Amino acid sequence: AQTVTQSQPEMSVQEAETVTLSCTYDTSESDYYLFWYKQPPSRQMILVIRQEAYKQQNATENRFSVNFQKAAKSFSLKISDSQLGDAAMYFCAYSVGGNNDMRFGAGTRLTVKP
Amino acid sequence: DTGVSQNPRHKITKRGQNVTFRCDPISEHNRLYWYRQTLGQGPEFLTYFQNEAQLEKSRLLSDRFSAERPKGSFSTLEIQRTEQGDSAMYLCASSPVRGGNSPLHFGNGTRLTVT
Repeated sequence: AQTVTQSQPEMSVQEAETVTLSCTYDTSESDYYLFWYKQPPSRQMILVIRQEAYKQQNATENRFSVNFQKAAKSFSLKISDSQLGDAAMYFCAYSVGGNNDMRFGAGTRLTVKP
Repeated sequence: DTGVSQNPRHKITKRGQNVTFRCDPISEHNRLYWYRQTLGQGPEFLTYFQNEAQLEKSRLLSDRFSAERPKGSFSTLEIQRTEQGDSAMYLCASSPVRGGNSPLHFGNGTRLTVT
């Protein structure tokens, strides 16, 4: 069974600073996809960034980037120049290629201090 | 693109009652998913449909839970004889059929409180 582990229940960062959220996963599959989703308070979950396991290059979306270490089964999210609007629950997620039943970690609550 | 719509937003019911939630996915999305999210946890997969076919059900989906997508458009999730442990946010999501790299588009969820 696939599992996703987020070891940091809460993190905080000063506005304009950089923060890294950790995620590890367990799978025997070779073809899969990894995602970070953001869930602001009382708002719907939205996709932040995604990574295909077959790609060695780390995905980047503006201030968001990932450090994908396939051998270590690690998928961390780096948020640069943190903004107040980044405050949210962040969920790491995994899905197998061609079978989009996504599995989520327990989440990390990010607080951004002004 | 009007997004994924879920109704009602909130539902309070007494233990033992039946409840039904509705999800309207993004119109061109073939896949529709139901997740359950309890406070402080990530969403847990319940079931998903491709068009009208229910392709997978989680072990979390007890026999009191049933989901349908009769015409391959909207979906309903019914919980019979509700229990206090059913209290949670029920999230619906949809995606196009493009394999595992298709991100999910979530609705705002239906928050169920069983008293």
